[in-house]
Amino acid sequence: NAGVTQTPKFQVLKTGQSMTLQCAQDMNHEYMSWYRQDPGMGLRLIHYSVGAGITDQGEVPNGYNVSRSTTEDFPLRLLSAAPSQTSVYFCASGTRGDNSEGYTFGSGTRLTVV
Amino acid sequence: LAKTTQPISMDSYEGQEVNITCSHNNIATNDYITWYQQFPSQGPRFIIQGYKTKVTNEVASLFIPADRKSSTLSLPRVSLSDTAVYYCPHGGSSASKIIFGSGTRLSIRP
Repeated sequence: NAGVTQTPKFQVLKTGQSMTLQCAQDMNHEYMSWYRQDPGMGLRLIHYSVGAGITDQGEVPNGYNVSRSTTEDFPLRLLSAAPSQTSVYFCASGTRGDNSEGYTFGSGTRLTVV
Repeated sequence: LAKTTQPISMDSYEGQEVNITCSHNNIATNDYITWYQQFPSQGPRFIIQGYKTKVTNEVASLFIPADRKSSTLSLPRVSLSDTAVYYCPHGGSSASKIIFGSGTRLSIRP
């Protein structure tokens, strides 16, 4: 199993550009989430999904869109990038069932908006 | 959104036992308590979970009192490689979402 795969690993955007951060998991997990982590800070929840076709807002959803058309994929779209969105973005997945291994995180996407 | 509370930072020395305590004032009845470890430039990694009393694995021990309003992560005989940020997020391992606080930045010195 690859676990949670995030692409790209690094990205530089100009202010106002849009882009999609990709996240895929191969563990058949129902739950998927997106977090952002600013330097020296904890993770903040952007959006999450409890299954295909179902998404909801987290702590800091403004400026981001998500969709969940399949169990495996949960892309995060930046509509019009701003310097305040410079951060490291982590995708995670978890299961509704008996889960002795917690959530699994990807290795992150480091985004810089100039 | 509910969050947990834990110390911002802790320092210790190699070979010591380190205990990090977390407050779970808004924990749900069916939520497990989980702890994660994060190294620089990596995503968080699940290290241990528990519901009540004590749980031990190859990495750490977790102590949870009967009222479940707090938990203590215990790292025995720490080494330099245990330097990391430790989180006790709100929402258990089977929750639809988990909310992270600021975490505890643990620094281990030789």
